[in-house]
Amino acid sequence: GAGVSQSPSNKVTEKGKDVELRCDPISGHTALYWYRQSLGQGLEFLIYFQGNSAPDKSGLPSDRFSAERTGGSVSTLTIQRTQQEDSAVYLCASSPMQPSGELFFGEGSRLTVL
Amino acid sequence: AQSVTQLDSQVPVFEEAPVELRCNYSSSVSVYLFWYVQYPNQGLQLLLKYLSGSTLVKGINGFEAEFNKSQTSFHLRKPSVHISDTAEYFCAVSYSGGGADGLTFGKGTHLIIQP
Repeated sequence: GAGVSQSPSNKVTEKGKDVELRCDPISGHTALYWYRQSLGQGLEFLIYFQGNSAPDKSGLPSDRFSAERTGGSVSTLTIQRTQQEDSAVYLCASSPMQPSGELFFGEGSRLTVL
Repeated sequence: AQSVTQLDSQVPVFEEAPVELRCNYSSSVSVYLFWYVQYPNQGLQLLLKYLSGSTLVKGINGFEAEFNKSQTSFHLRKPSVHISDTAEYFCAVSYSGGGADGLTFGKGTHLIIQP
C-alpha cells in the first residue's frame, strides 16, 4: 500500500486477555518502530526493528509486551494479560533509513482495556 | 539524557492570528529536527524538517520553523491560522540520523483555534 497500515483501528478487551496489533510498513522501508501514545504523555518509544538485526526492545514497559517482525516486513505487537494502564493508542512507523531519520506513521490502533 | 521540551501543552489562538509553538532540545551536537502534526483520530504527518543549510525551513499548510543552534531551539510559526489547523503538534529531534536511540519526541502542543 501507499502508507503504513495498522489493524485493528480500535480494540476493546477485558483485563487479563491477550491482544495482538498488526503493522504493515511501507514497502522497502527497512526500519520499523512501535510507539505508545497515552493522553497527555506524548509518544513513548516501545521497540525498533532495523532490517535483519536484533530488535531494540529497550522501551518495552514489561515482559507482558513483545513484538516480532516477519520477513523484514509485517510486525505484530503482542500484549499479554492486559491491564487497564495498557489502554492507549499504539502507533507504528516505518523509515527508509535515510540519514534524516524521517518516520512515516500509521493511523494507530486504539486499545481500551476494561 | 537527550530531551525535547515543548513548553506549552496547549496554545489557544484566534482564527487568522499568528502563532508560535516553542521547541527546545538538549544537545548541541549535530541534529536533524522535525515537526509532526496529528489531526484528531489520525496518525502523525510530517509538517517540516531541518537537515542542513538554511536555518529557516518551510513546510506544508503555510507553516515554517527556524533552527537556532545557539539557543538549541526549533520554534514553529504560522502568520495566520485557520480552524483546520486545530491539531496536536510534536517536535522531534534525531541525534544520529535515525535509529531508536536517535529519535526523541516532545510531549506535544495542542493548538486550539478559536473562531
